[in-house]
Amino acid sequence: DIVMTQTPLSLPVTPGEPASISCRSSQSLLHSDNGNTFLDWYLQKPGQSPQLLIYALSYRASGVPDRFSGGGSDTDFTLKISRVEAEDVGVYYCMQRLEFPFTFGPGTKVDIK
Amino acid sequence: QVQLVESGGGVVQPGRSLRLSCVASGFTFSRYGMHWVRQAPGKGLEWVAVISYDGSNKYYADSVKGRFTISRDISKNTLYLQMNSLRAEDTAIYYCARPRDYYDHSGYYAYWGQGTLVTVSS
Repeated sequence: DIVMTQTPLSLPVTPGEPASISCRSSQSLLHSDNGNTFLDWYLQKPGQSPQLLIYALSYRASGVPDRFSGGGSDTDFTLKISRVEAEDVGVYYCMQRLEFPFTFGPGTKVDIK
Repeated sequence: QVQLVESGGGVVQPGRSLRLSCVASGFTFSRYGMHWVRQAPGKGLEWVAVISYDGSNKYYADSVKGRFTISRDISKNTLYLQMNSLRAEDTAIYYCARPRDYYDHSGYYAYWGQGTLVTVSS
């Protein structure tokens, strides 16, 4: 199985400041046939179901503010928030869907300082 | 609009069975692969199972293989998860999730249900 790790696991942030979360996979998530990277980011706000933020490494989901961006390659990935807002608190998960079983990172809890 | 509504959760004793349902609406259910994802209390997300749009392909997490069965009823627009031989470690909120694109059961999750809580305890 592909193992996903995230750092940090906890991230206190100041509104208006940038934030960054790292995710690493135990093998490359680059699909050899189509060149896509099968790495997605989800945010689970308190008391809610997860919601899609970023898919295929760097594509923002519909309605996601442009302060969120995804990047990286092969086995190292980053989610960046250019200027954190209070509504961004919650737990962020990276997930690989290159192969079954899909696997999630342990999550990064973001809260306001 | 797309809606996924799970039900069937509750308290069950270890070793017993439970069947979860996920009723889909707002889209052509027969065209989409569907997934179950769970979350133990205070823990992270764990993928559980997937079924392809036509039911011909099914995959399971090792932790549930041989005990859980995913299925679908197109006539009822409903996804199921039959859970047998339940263990304390199966205690979790169970979400159904749908990929964005039809016929693609490996797609990212564009839609999630609200979840149903399963508690396995004596």
